[in-house]
Amino acid sequence: AQSVTQPDIHITVSEGASLELRCNYSYGATPYLFWYVQSPGQGLQLLLKYFSGDTLVQGIKGFEAEFKRSQSSFNLRKPSVHWSDAAEYFCAVGARDSSYKLIFGSGTRLLVRP
Amino acid sequence: GAGVSQTPSNKVTEKGKYVELRCDPISGHTALYWYRQSLGQGPEFLIYFQGTGAADDSGLPNDRFFAVRPEGSVSTLKIQRTERGDSAVYLCASSSDGGAGDTQYFGPGTRLTVL
Repeated sequence: AQSVTQPDIHITVSEGASLELRCNYSYGATPYLFWYVQSPGQGLQLLLKYFSGDTLVQGIKGFEAEFKRSQSSFNLRKPSVHWSDAAEYFCAVGARDSSYKLIFGSGTRLLVRP
Repeated sequence: GAGVSQTPSNKVTEKGKYVELRCDPISGHTALYWYRQSLGQGPEFLIYFQGTGAADDSGLPNDRFFAVRPEGSVSTLKIQRTERGDSAVYLCASSSDGGAGDTQYFGPGTRLTVL
């Protein structure tokens, strides 16, 4: 069965520091992979997605993610964090059935230290 | 343009009552999804509509949960005989045609509290 693991429940970084959020997936074939961000009181917003091709994916707000098949990972990165990046981040894999429903990890809460 | 909207934003009910949660997708989107997010967890899939039909309802936890989309636009999630364990944020998402390349756009959710 498909699953997603986000091993870090909380991460705290200083403003201006670099960020990496970890995501590991379990899936037998090439997955569809997504990162969403959820700010308090707001809906989930797509940061980026990977379907095929270049394994380094660029997203909105200066985020990028790298698909590594050998490690079953899709880690999210940002070179310099802003205070407004504080939020909950969810990694998801898209089911390869007729629905393409999303299977989410449990999330990583990012705290930004001034 | 308008995004996905959900009403009400908050719903408090008593155990055993019936509730309806509404989702208004982005205009023209044929695919609609319902997810449930419990505290400290990621969203979990409930049901998927393609047009008016429920193409995948494998995530509905039991027969107290039911959803409809009679005209292929607005959808209503219905929960009968609510239980305290039903308390969660219910999220709705829509995408243009539900294909593999589609982005799912999420609404702000309805927070359901069952007392």
